[in-house]
Amino acid sequence: DGGITQSPKYLFRKEGQNVTLSCEQNLNHDAMYWYRQDPGQGLRLIYYSQIVNDFQKGDIAEGYSVSREKKESFPLTVTSAQKNPTAFYLCASSISANQETQYFGPGTRLLVL
Amino acid sequence: GQQLNQSPQSMFIQEGEDVSMNCTSSSIFNTWLWYKQEPGEGPVLLIALYKAGELTSNGRLTAQFGITRKDSFLNISASIPSDVGIYFCAGRDHSGGGADGLTFGKGTHLIIQP
Repeated sequence: DGGITQSPKYLFRKEGQNVTLSCEQNLNHDAMYWYRQDPGQGLRLIYYSQIVNDFQKGDIAEGYSVSREKKESFPLTVTSAQKNPTAFYLCASSISANQETQYFGPGTRLLVL
Repeated sequence: GQQLNQSPQSMFIQEGEDVSMNCTSSSIFNTWLWYKQEPGEGPVLLIALYKAGELTSNGRLTAQFGITRKDSFLNISASIPSDVGIYFCAGRDHSGGGADGLTFGKGTHLIIQP
């Protein structure tokens, strides 16, 4: 089956710890995105990548980092500098950066202990 | 930046009723997308609109791209229990180059009473 997978489904972070969320797609899409969702809010863009080895900051990039070493993978690291990391994180992809239709993974819920 | 105003924030309806929700933007959009999200899951694309005035259906769902290019509407006819969820509008303004992510509304939470 083609699609986007995210792991883990739930993730717990201790104070001062970095954690990495996985996002993999086998759709052969060039562009990938990370969004954050808080209760009662729309999705907010953290980082996006138009192509392998390239990525750009979104609206709320502070406290996050990404890499795009492979076309299929776009991991997101939530660093200790992110003071309010508890949220639902969604990864998405599209055929290209100029193709508006984005397809989402199932999400990862991050909780701080 | 771009802002999307989605309304209503929530809807409590009876099974079988029709549903209507809308989004308005502060700037002209070239694309409107409608997604549905169920609890603990990622949004699923329902309808994509690419041209002003376009009216597109997907089963009991119908969406329209407003003529002004600053609004969009989603209608659901004869609602059923599995329509429960949060519906998001999303759009993209290409004036800045169009290489970043979508702008999302805050969602309409649909609750259906049997």
